[in-house]
Amino acid sequence: AQSVTQPDIHITVSEGASLELRCNYSYGATPYLFWYVQSPGQGLQLLLKYFSGDTLVQGIKGFEAEFKRSQSSFNLRKPSVHWSDAAEYFCAVASGGGADGLTFGKGTHLIIQP
Amino acid sequence: KAGVTQTPRYLIKTRGQQVTLSCSPISGHRSVSWYQQTPGQGLQFLFEYFSETQRNKGNFPGRFSGRQFSNSRSEMNVSTLELGDSALYLCASSQDSQQGAFFGQGTRLTVV
Repeated sequence: AQSVTQPDIHITVSEGASLELRCNYSYGATPYLFWYVQSPGQGLQLLLKYFSGDTLVQGIKGFEAEFKRSQSSFNLRKPSVHWSDAAEYFCAVASGGGADGLTFGKGTHLIIQP
Repeated sequence: KAGVTQTPRYLIKTRGQQVTLSCSPISGHRSVSWYQQTPGQGLQFLFEYFSETQRNKGNFPGRFSGRQFSNSRSEMNVSTLELGDSALYLCASSQDSQQGAFFGQGTRLTVV
């Protein structure tokens, strides 16, 4: 069965500093990988996705992620965070067909210090 | 293009009752999935519908059921509510697996 691990429950970053959120997955074949963001009381917003091709993918709001097959990782990065980036971030994996649904990590709560 | 719409946004029900939640997907999206989000278990997959057929179901008891209509709108039903069913229920729609799933704002269900 596929699984996703987000090792960091909370991360605190100063505004303007760089950010990296870690994600490790377990899946037998090449997975479909996603990062979502959730603000309090809201649904999930898709930041970016990876299926194949270039292992560095660009997303919305200045985020990017790099797929590393050898490390089974799909870490999310942003060069300079803004106070509005404070939220819960979820990494997710799906099988190729998509019919099995998304398997999510437990999430990383991002806190931005002024 | 309108996003995924879930109704109602908030619900309070009594233990033992049943509840029906509604989801209208993005126009043109034929796949609708449902997820339960709780502080303890996180986000868990309930089921997925495509063209009115349930293609897969997560590890939830039979009290949780759903359906999809010909216009792709979907409903999920929970019967004999338990306190542990209190959660945020999220609906997501997608055009195909490569585009990713787009989520609604959720229905917050509280069982008392």
